[in-house]
Amino acid sequence: DIQMTQSPSSLPASLGDRVTITCRASQDIGNYLRWFQQKPGKSPRLMIYGATNLAAGVPSRFSGSRSGSDYSLTINSLESEDMAIYYCLQHNEYPFTFGSGTKLEIK
Amino acid sequence: EVKLLESGGGLVQPGGSMRLSCAASGFTFTDFYMYWIRQPAGKAPEWLGFIRNKANGYTTEYNPSVKGRFTISRDNTQNMLYLQMNTLRAEDTATYYCARGAFDYWGQGVMVTVSS
Repeated sequence: DIQMTQSPSSLPASLGDRVTITCRASQDIGNYLRWFQQKPGKSPRLMIYGATNLAAGVPSRFSGSRSGSDYSLTINSLESEDMAIYYCLQHNEYPFTFGSGTKLEIK
Repeated sequence: EVKLLESGGGLVQPGGSMRLSCAASGFTFTDFYMYWIRQPAGKAPEWLGFIRNKANGYTTEYNPSVKGRFTISRDNTQNMLYLQMNTLRAEDTATYYCARGAFDYWGQGVMVTVSS
């Protein structure tokens, strides 16, 4: 199985900060990488697809990038509504696998 | 408006069976792959499998962790997706979600608890 190593597991940040979350793939996954946001008691919400493409309705302060096997989700100018857990998902190879999650919280 | 609504969860004894349903609306159901994902409390989601769309013959793929115990099916006349779960174990306890192909829409989830 492809391992998605996500870091950090917890990320204290202040409103207005720029933050970056990273997933490293254990094998080549191309751009078959998605990012999800999950708030307590809610279903995951698609934020980024194809590693770099913003999903419909997602604010432009969110962006995705790739450098080799490292995939990053960046949030510019953090807002209170961004506090959530973020997961990456590789869907290049079966079984599809999620990262372990990053909890973004107010410092 | 796209909607996915899971049902059928609850408490089941170890070794038992349960079928989850997902009612889809607001899109052309047969055009889309449909997924099942589960998430134990406080943990990351786990992809369980999917069933392809009409163009791809409604074939299925499964996570090896559940292959042979779980079966995904669909009723395209009713816009329904199903997850049949057999020989359930305590570690199958989780919230189960259905999702549309591309993971752009998810249901609200349904709890399954496997316990005696």
